[in-house]
Amino acid sequence: ILNVEQSPQSLHVQEGDSTNFTCSFPSSNFYALHWYRWETAKSPEALFVMTLNGDEKKKGRISATLNTKEGYSYLYIKGSQPEDSATYLCAPKFGNEKLTFGTGTRLTIIP
Amino acid sequence: NAGVTQTPKFQVLKTGQSMTLQCAQDMNHEYMSWYRQDPGMGLRLIHYSVGAGITDQGEVPNGYNVSRSTTEDFPLRLLSAAPSQTSVYFCASSSLKQGLAKNIQYFGAGTRLSVL
Repeated sequence: ILNVEQSPQSLHVQEGDSTNFTCSFPSSNFYALHWYRWETAKSPEALFVMTLNGDEKKKGRISATLNTKEGYSYLYIKGSQPEDSATYLCAPKFGNEKLTFGTGTRLTIIP
Repeated sequence: NAGVTQTPKFQVLKTGQSMTLQCAQDMNHEYMSWYRQDPGMGLRLIHYSVGAGITDQGEVPNGYNVSRSTTEDFPLRLLSAAPSQTSVYFCASSSLKQGLAKNIQYFGAGTRLSVL
């Protein structure tokens, strides 16, 4: 079982503030990293797929970076809005293994 | 677009009962999978399939069976339900055109199962 860690586990952020959180994973045999956003009572939805060291992806106010050599990815949210409240999951893929999901960072935006 | 459809949304079983969780997708995806979500743990892979007639075990397969007779459907069977199988179950599908690593997974709405 591969160790994927997401930190912090939960986060409360004032509306309008920016925030970021981390996904850490073993750097050997890395293939790709997925980020998913999971709103309460809904199903996870894909945000980004990143494969190359140094990759940066952006979708509106949300962006992500990838460092495969040291084994981490950051997810950034600029100017948080209430609709950003969700659990954010990262899922790296290694070698011939399937996606391994982290336990997520639960983000709550305080109006 | 229906996407990935799971039924039922909720189910309560008694220990020892059997049941089938249904999953269907209309995106012609080759890859389908079942996960379970438990408090404090990430989504854990139960079984997966890369095409009709092909299934394989994931991380936590014990107590579950699957079959893939068509591209669209991937049912998950609980043979003899146990309280440890109380969980939320998600079905997901993905294209394999760019390989599994790069293709995003589309999730169903989930089935909340309680085993008493």
